[in-house]
Amino acid sequence: SAVISQKPSRDICQRGTSLTIQCQVDSQVTMMFWYRQQPGQSLTLIATANQGSEATYESGFVIDKFPISRPNLTFSTLTVSNMSPEDSSIYLCSVARDTNTYEQYFGPGTRLTVT
Amino acid sequence: DAKTTQPNSMESNEEEPVHLPCNHSTISGTDYIHWYRQLPSQGPEYVIHGLTSNVNNRMASLAIAEDRKSSTLILHRATLRDAAVYYCILRDVSNFGNEKLTFGTGTRLTIIP
Repeated sequence: SAVISQKPSRDICQRGTSLTIQCQVDSQVTMMFWYRQQPGQSLTLIATANQGSEATYESGFVIDKFPISRPNLTFSTLTVSNMSPEDSSIYLCSVARDTNTYEQYFGPGTRLTVT
Repeated sequence: DAKTTQPNSMESNEEEPVHLPCNHSTISGTDYIHWYRQLPSQGPEYVIHGLTSNVNNRMASLAIAEDRKSSTLILHRATLRDAAVYYCILRDVSNFGNEKLTFGTGTRLTIIP
């Protein structure tokens, strides 16, 4: 298994500002992902965080809005830039220990409210 | 990605078996069937996965139809702690390194004491 922590656990931010969310894993993992879960909705993949290179974004998500860093095999950050109320969501980090593994582990999420 | 269809919600009595259905009529030969669940105020957690044969683990059983166009997650004896949203997800393993999960709307399971 993998133990994942996220910081902050929740935040209330003003529109136009940016927030950086941290994801820390207790051991090295091959793959890290960032998901968004809007209120009452399912999870949507934002991007795959690649170690040492640019993240791979899903359709509808762009680097200018959601810059991602992954400096090593245990840590990643997601920034939500120039926030608007529509960005109010839970942001979740997940990891897969190896490629083609069958199990992903999810962090507890960061609940973001934009006013 | 192949799509899955699940009922929006289900109810079950505590200590009784629960059968959660999932339809995936467009499943391809390289799609694995995964189940995750999301307990209230938590991130999703892995439950079980399978390809063709039925599977059992400590959490649940997965029954896969012979034509693979549907599957059923079975909780043998539901407890209040099993109340969650259950997601049936297909993952194509033909692309090396394709680990991403595409979540549908899932089934919200309510357990009645």
